Amino acid sequence: GAGVSQSPSNKVTEKGKDVELRCDPISGHTALYWYRQSLGQGLEFLIYFQGNSAPDKSGLPSDRFSAERTGGSVSTLTIQRTQQEDSAVYLCASSWTGGVTETQYFGPGTRLLVL
Amino acid sequence: GNSVTQMEGPVTLSEEAFLTINCTYTATGYPSLFWYVQYPGEGLQLLLKATKADDKGSNKGFEATYRKETTSFHLEKGSVQVSDSAVYFCALSGETSYDKVIFGPGTSLSVIP
Repeated sequence: GAGVSQSPSNKVTEKGKDVELRCDPISGHTALYWYRQSLGQGLEFLIYFQGNSAPDKSGLPSDRFSAERTGGSVSTLTIQRTQQEDSAVYLCASSWTGGVTETQYFGPGTRLLVL
Repeated sequence: GNSVTQMEGPVTLSEEAFLTINCTYTATGYPSLFWYVQYPGEGLQLLLKATKADDKGSNKGFEATYRKETTSFHLEKGSVQVSDSAVYFCALSGETSYDKVIFGPGTSLSVIP
């Protein structure tokens, strides 16, 4: 079946512009994560949506970052007034319920370059 | 809070060598433990997992045992191949479905012929 999809696959933008990154989780998955992976670095947690609960936003690096999840499915990560240090690969992952034994399924990522 | 520590890389091995990548964790309760792998140019995918103490996860010749007494989940493979070259991430689940999964920093492995 279809996996997690993300769009765009690549995004080049100018410093100061806003960008929106989209994640389509696997159908039926209620748990959704956003991560950031800078070149040669590990995974940096950004935000976690679990069903209808309030999201865990503890990983968002600044108030320029926000995310929403509409209808419990598609999620959009928005970065306002982009900075060069925002350049990274943004990864989305989903799982059925976020349960402690569950596997996360990752999308291919969006590679963001801020000039 | 919960945390995961992995051995620093990069790790370079010759083909057919024995591999160990150390992972230790700090957690309350009874989390599950995971190893994810990221092959060059590909997305992250689950390699193996263990959901309770003394469980052994295994896949593709890799193994890891959930050791609660030493709070460890070391990844091992008896004979690595060039195709095993990748970045390996140890991860720890939350205590409930409302707690986020925590990833280690990743260990880059290069296997040379």
